[in-house]
Amino acid sequence: GAVVSQHPSRVICKSGTSVKIECRSLDFQATTMFWYRQFPKQSLMLMATSNEGSKATYEQGVEKDKFLINHASLTLSTLTVTSAHPEDSSFYICSANRQDGTDTQYFGPGTRLTVL
Amino acid sequence: AQSVTQLDSQVPVFEEAPVELRCNYSSSVSVYLFWYVQYPNQGLQLLLKYLSGSTLVKGINGFEAEFNKSQTSFHLRKPSVHISDTAEYFCAVTIPNLFFGTGTRLTVIP
Repeated sequence: GAVVSQHPSRVICKSGTSVKIECRSLDFQATTMFWYRQFPKQSLMLMATSNEGSKATYEQGVEKDKFLINHASLTLSTLTVTSAHPEDSSFYICSANRQDGTDTQYFGPGTRLTVL
Repeated sequence: AQSVTQLDSQVPVFEEAPVELRCNYSSSVSVYLFWYVQYPNQGLQLLLKYLSGSTLVKGINGFEAEFNKSQTSFHLRKPSVHISDTAEYFCAVTIPNLFFGTGTRLTVIP
């Protein structure tokens, strides 16, 4: 299979604090991982592409200093929401390319972030 | 401009009835096409994908989709739905990043 995990599944934090979300590919190596954000009853919006060993590529309108991405190994990418505000509350989903030449992304279960 | 359109935001259907969820895309380059399902408060699960070859693609849970290049469509179908099929369904296309449609909420009515 192609399993992607995320941790934590839910997090509640105070405004102004930072939150780190982990995304792991459990049974395959992923040189590329993706981070998406999903607002209620809406589709997924790509935030950034995370490349192992190099800087992430952010989509237009996404603040790279606010959403820090680190892809330190072939199985782990992290998203840190810095100085979180209530408007950052959302469902964050990561995905990973299995590198089998099919461009298929396998998604994690998502992380529900609530900023009070 | 490149885009993915899911024409129906909500589709109610009775249990054991057939269903079709529509997806159209616009792209100037060749694409890969995907359907994902999202159950409440969960991530996305791959239902099926079209990369090349046969235009009729069979996926998990009895779903299938047909790629129609002339109509730039990739509609998802199931001949007989179950209550457990109630979920949000997303069509996605690589152009070249994965670009999602707005989703279709399928509600299966007992």
